[in-house]
Amino acid sequence: AQTVTQSQPEMSVQEAETVTLSCTYDTSESDYYLFWYKQPPSRQMILVIRQEAYKQQNATENRFSVNFQKAAKSFSLKISDSQLGDAAMYFCAYRADQMNRDDKIIFGKGTRLHILP
Amino acid sequence: EPEVTQTPSHQVTQMGQEVILRCVPISNHLYFYWYRQILGQKVEFLVSFYNNEISEKSEIFDDQFSVERPDGSNFTLKIRSTKLEDSAMYFCASSELGVGDEQYFGPGTRLTVT
Repeated sequence: AQTVTQSQPEMSVQEAETVTLSCTYDTSESDYYLFWYKQPPSRQMILVIRQEAYKQQNATENRFSVNFQKAAKSFSLKISDSQLGDAAMYFCAYRADQMNRDDKIIFGKGTRLHILP
Repeated sequence: EPEVTQTPSHQVTQMGQEVILRCVPISNHLYFYWYRQILGQKVEFLVSFYNNEISEKSEIFDDQFSVERPDGSNFTLKIRSTKLEDSAMYFCASSELGVGDEQYFGPGTRLTVT
């Protein structure tokens, strides 16, 4: 069974600094998707960034980028120039690819990110 | 921008009562999902639904739970006899094409069972 592990329950970063959130996963599949979701205090789940496993290039989305290491099954999120609005719970997540009929998303336990002014 | 909506935002119910959580998926989406997040824990998959039937369900989704698409716009989750441990945030999600396609999440319904 696939699993997603986030080893950092909480992290803090100074405003305008860079922070990296860690995530590892386990799967026997070769093709899959990885995601980072942000959950602010409103509890809404917001997709931050998505990575297809077949792509070697790391995904980027403005101040957010990932370091995808397929062999190591590692998928970290880097937030540059941290802003107060980035404070939230961040979930790493996995989903099988489209050739697999299983399309449920598997989430990690989350990392709560605090931004220090 | 189209979005998934959920009602109510917060539901309080007594143990043993039935509750129905409602979701309106994005209008051209065909695949629907429910996830649950117990406070302080990770989000867990409950069930997926397509073409008026369940595609997949987790171990959590026992006989107390049911889903329905009663009309062309709503997607509901019913819990027949609520237990204290059903207290959680329930998220609805939808996607247009299912497997391989983006799932869009609603804002969630906070269910409190007393």
